[in-house]
Amino acid sequence: DIQLTQSPSFLSASVGDRVTITCRAGQGISNWLAWFQQHPGKAPKLLIYTASSLQSGVPSRFSGSGSGTEFTLTISNLQPEDSATYYCQQLYSDLHSFGQGTKLEIK
Amino acid sequence: EVQMVQSGAEVKKPGESLKISCKGSGYIFSDYWVAWVRQMPDKPLEWVGLFNPGDSRTRYSPSFQGHVIISGDKSVTTAYLQWSSLEASDTAIYYCARHKTNSNMYDYWGQGTPVTVSS
Repeated sequence: DIQLTQSPSFLSASVGDRVTITCRAGQGISNWLAWFQQHPGKAPKLLIYTASSLQSGVPSRFSGSGSGTEFTLTISNLQPEDSATYYCQQLYSDLHSFGQGTKLEIK
Repeated sequence: EVQMVQSGAEVKKPGESLKISCKGSGYIFSDYWVAWVRQMPDKPLEWVGLFNPGDSRTRYSPSFQGHVIISGDKSVTTAYLQWSSLEASDTAIYYCARHKTNSNMYDYWGQGTPVTVSS
């Protein structure tokens, strides 16, 4: 399994802020990384695929970058509805593992 | 419209068997793998495995290999996740998702099937 480590585990920010979540892979995964948003009691929602491609319908305040072993998800102009848990996922190997999640709280 | 619709909540006793389902619609079912993902209460997402409806190939996480079976029936555009002997630690929500191979992403998800295993 390829291990993914997200940081921070918890993040608190205000409406209008810009935040960055980091995902580090235990080995190089090229750009085969996705980001998901999950609200409590809901299924995960795809935000970003292939590290930096914005999924259709996702607001442009979400952006992703990185390649190899280090990746970031940036959310600009935070909105109240961005309060959720965010997960990264690698799809480089045949076994598609997830990170442990980052919980984002909007103050 | 692409949809992944999962079977309903289950309550089972330890040692019982279970098969949950995920029906894909609005696309050519055989052309996309179907993934299963577990989420235990207040825990992160865990990748269980993948099923290819076109040729019935499967991949399993080592953490789940031997404890679950992933299968499907393309004639009814449905994938399955099954257990022969449930344990209390199988209590979780199980999600299915469509794996879009050319973009290598999980683009459509089911609503989740809660499974509770308790004596």
